[in-house]
Amino acid sequence: AQKITQTQPGMFVQEKEAVTLDCTYDTSDPSYGLFWYKQPSSGEMIFLIYQGSYDQQNATEGRYSLNFQKARKSANLVISASQLGDSAMYFCAIVNFGNEKLTFGTGTRLTIIP
Amino acid sequence: DAGITQSPRHKVTETGTPVTLRCHQTENHRYMYWYRQDPGHGLRLIHYSYGVKDTDKGEVSDGYSVSRSKTEDFLLTLESATSSQTSVYFCAISESKGNQKLFFGSGTQLSVL
Repeated sequence: AQKITQTQPGMFVQEKEAVTLDCTYDTSDPSYGLFWYKQPSSGEMIFLIYQGSYDQQNATEGRYSLNFQKARKSANLVISASQLGDSAMYFCAIVNFGNEKLTFGTGTRLTIIP
Repeated sequence: DAGITQSPRHKVTETGTPVTLRCHQTENHRYMYWYRQDPGHGLRLIHYSYGVKDTDKGEVSDGYSVSRSKTEDFLLTLESATSSQTSVYFCAISESKGNQKLFFGSGTQLSVL
């Protein structure tokens, strides 16, 4: 079984500041992948970034980076230079390659303040 | 954007009636998933499919069934809807087992009264 824990139900951040959204995971499978998705108020789910368990370097996608600490089982999302359009729900998710199922956390609602 | 269409977008139904939600994709992706989203629970997997006529249960499969007779269509059926099945339902697709990046549909808001 796999599990994702997001302990921050909501965050308020000043525009242009960096943001770290926390995510810890639990899995018994040595091969897995970690994802972050964004859900704006319009409701669609938008893929942001992916990290494989064997990847040596932290994943980056533009202003998004994933701070992957395997020993701590954490996969925090870092957003640099936040923008008003970053206000949304953010979900961390894990897939075990052994069972093909993607499991989501409960999400963090991020609000960017002008 | 990935070609995923969910229908209907909104539905209101009564307890005890059958309901079928449809997910249609034009990407020829092998894997298809049904999730439900509820406040405080995030997205929870209901059922998924790894090929035509190949399906498996997720973590909240009770009260739901699925069918996949064609690559492009994945149907979710509530045999006898209950109020606890009021939720937003998302369909998602992915290309392969090793590439689990999911593309999501726009969601279906289902209300069971």
